[in-house]
Amino acid sequence: DIQVTQSPSSLSASVGDRVTITCRASQGIGNDLGWYQRKPGKAPKRLIHFASSLQSGVPSRFSGSGSGTEFTLTISSLQPEDFATYYCLQHKSFPLSFGGGTKVE
Amino acid sequence: EVQLVESGGGLEQPGGSLRLSCVASGFSFSDAAMTWVRQAPGKGLEWVSLISASGVNAYYADSVKGRFTISRDYSKNTLYLQMNSLRAEDTAIYHCAKDIQLSDWGQGTLVTISS
Repeated sequence: DIQVTQSPSSLSASVGDRVTITCRASQGIGNDLGWYQRKPGKAPKRLIHFASSLQSGVPSRFSGSGSGTEFTLTISSLQPEDFATYYCLQHKSFPLSFGGGTKVE
Repeated sequence: EVQLVESGGGLEQPGGSLRLSCVASGFSFSDAAMTWVRQAPGKGLEWVSLISASGVNAYYADSVKGRFTISRDYSKNTLYLQMNSLRAEDTAIYHCAKDIQLSDWGQGTLVTISS
């Protein structure tokens, strides 16, 4: 099974800050990774697919990079609506696996 | 617009059964794999199960294998999750999502397992 390690588990940031979140896969997954935003009481929302492709309608301050085993989600300038928990998901092989999440507060 | 609406959650005793439903609209249901994901209180997201677009192939997390069964009804555009031998650790919000990349999600339905 592929394990996905996400870091940090939480971070403190201010509006306007640049935020970087990392996911590491236990084996190579190519670019079969997505990033998701979760806010309390709302359905999770996909931000990035195939590691670096921005989901339609998602602000361009969000970007993804990486391939193989190391991936990064970057928020270039944090906005008030971006305070949330972020998850990565590998969909290279079953069982699919999420990172542990990063709470941005 | 893709819409996914879950139902069927509730309070059940350990050892009991529940069947969750997810009604899909806004896309070709027969062309999309479908997924269940859950989030236990205070925990992260956990992938539970996926069924292929054809319905032929199903995959499960080890934590639910042998207890949960995923299925779909094309005439009703509905995805199901039959949950048997429920345990306290199955308590969670259960979301359905479209395809293996979870491109769209439903709001979820709460399952509580407690005596």
